[in-house]
Amino acid sequence: RKEVEQDPGPFNVPEGATVAFNCTYSNSASQSFFWYRQDCRKEPKLLMSVYSSGNEDGRFTAQLNRASQYISLLIRDSKLSDSATYLCVGPIYNTDKLIFGTGTRLQVFP
Amino acid sequence: DAGVIQSPRHEVTEMGQEVTLRCKPISGHDYLFWYRQTMMRGLELLIYFNNNVPIDDSGMPEDRFSAKMPNASFSTLKIQPSEPRDSAVYFCASRPRDRPSDTQYFGPGTRLTVL
Repeated sequence: RKEVEQDPGPFNVPEGATVAFNCTYSNSASQSFFWYRQDCRKEPKLLMSVYSSGNEDGRFTAQLNRASQYISLLIRDSKLSDSATYLCVGPIYNTDKLIFGTGTRLQVFP
Repeated sequence: DAGVIQSPRHEVTEMGQEVTLRCKPISGHDYLFWYRQTMMRGLELLIYFNNNVPIDDSGMPEDRFSAKMPNASFSTLKIQPSEPRDSAVYFCASRPRDRPSDTQYFGPGTRLTVL
């Protein structure tokens, strides 16, 4: 099992829709996770951090379920500009390293 | 405020040639990471430095790959000799010492094509 696994998608949703991505992880010792956003042919950028139970930032909500070892990202009221690949990221315990999922592609259409 | 700078942005070379990728981290950042991204394998960490010292190079695929950081403002990733399977986007990222491990700032990447 990979350390961080994501559904690659693509998720095709209309503007205004609510969409959720899940990511599973294998290392139960990890205390926090992150979502990065990567636009087509661009570099990844940090979107949100997920500590303990969850985090909310405007239309975006990230949650961590330790019992089931998954992280979720919920996007409400989708905008065309949300179209991107969303990378689930976890730390490698006791190191400065991050491990990236392969990403879930989101396409929001008018 | 300048972000991470990488050069060249695109590189096309022939198999067997030496390739050198360059990175200038954000000023004041102590950590520097080199990643490779492909469709098949996603984003993989190759090597990282802390205060110019290589800490973990376990992700470097083969002896053909080498990385250096001669000073706090410059790093290189070299592939010699290059092979078609090295074709990928190579990202450099930096991070300040006093921020959590999630906060890595990526450069725009170098798109490498080996023919």
